[in-house]
Amino acid sequence: DAMVIQNPRYQVTQFGKPVTLSCSQTLNHNVMYWYQQKSSQAPKLLFHYYDKDFNNEADTPDNFQSRRPNTSFCFLDIRSPGLGDAAMYLCATSRDSEGLFEKLFFGSGTQLSVL
Amino acid sequence: AQSVTQLGSHVSVSEGALVLLRCNYSSSVPPYLFWYVQYPNQGLQLLLKYTSAATLVKGINGFEAEFKKSETSFHLTKPSAHMSDAAEYFCAVPLASGYNKLIFGAGTRLAVHP
Repeated sequence: DAMVIQNPRYQVTQFGKPVTLSCSQTLNHNVMYWYQQKSSQAPKLLFHYYDKDFNNEADTPDNFQSRRPNTSFCFLDIRSPGLGDAAMYLCATSRDSEGLFEKLFFGSGTQLSVL
Repeated sequence: AQSVTQLGSHVSVSEGALVLLRCNYSSSVPPYLFWYVQYPNQGLQLLLKYTSAATLVKGINGFEAEFKKSETSFHLTKPSAHMSDAAEYFCAVPLASGYNKLIFGAGTRLAVHP
């Protein structure tokens, strides 16, 4: 089945140690998103790619970066994780719909712990 | 700026009882509204969406939502709760700056007890 896959499901890193989370999709969608969801809070959009064009949200810290080497893969890099970065990170995709509001397809998320 | 407010972070119902999850929106553009559900240890999936057609929208798993412009509300209902409905439910509205970028409400965790 076509889907959005995130690996790993759980990731533990140390304070200040760079970490990369990965997302792949078989839907051939041209838009990919990264959301951060802290415990008992709403998912918060960090950035998205429209094809190769990177779009950062204004309040996303510089500590968060992303790469999209091809249509299928997208990575979230946290350069120096702090304790406050512990969260569930959700990858999502959608089609470009020329003004229509297409639904997002979400992966199962990566739960990041920072020790 | 667009925003959504979900009243009640936790709702508990008996199996077979009516489910009502509340969402109010604030939007300066013609509203498109969504309900997403998140089951334990899973990502979010779309329950239903409103796109300025019929005000009563039917979604998956027996859920429906009614858009009421006068009340700026988009409450989610299901006539009879099932144990499998236990999950977190998020109301969402698109950011004006990007069509598919969503702002989510804080979520309502639904518990269903026998």
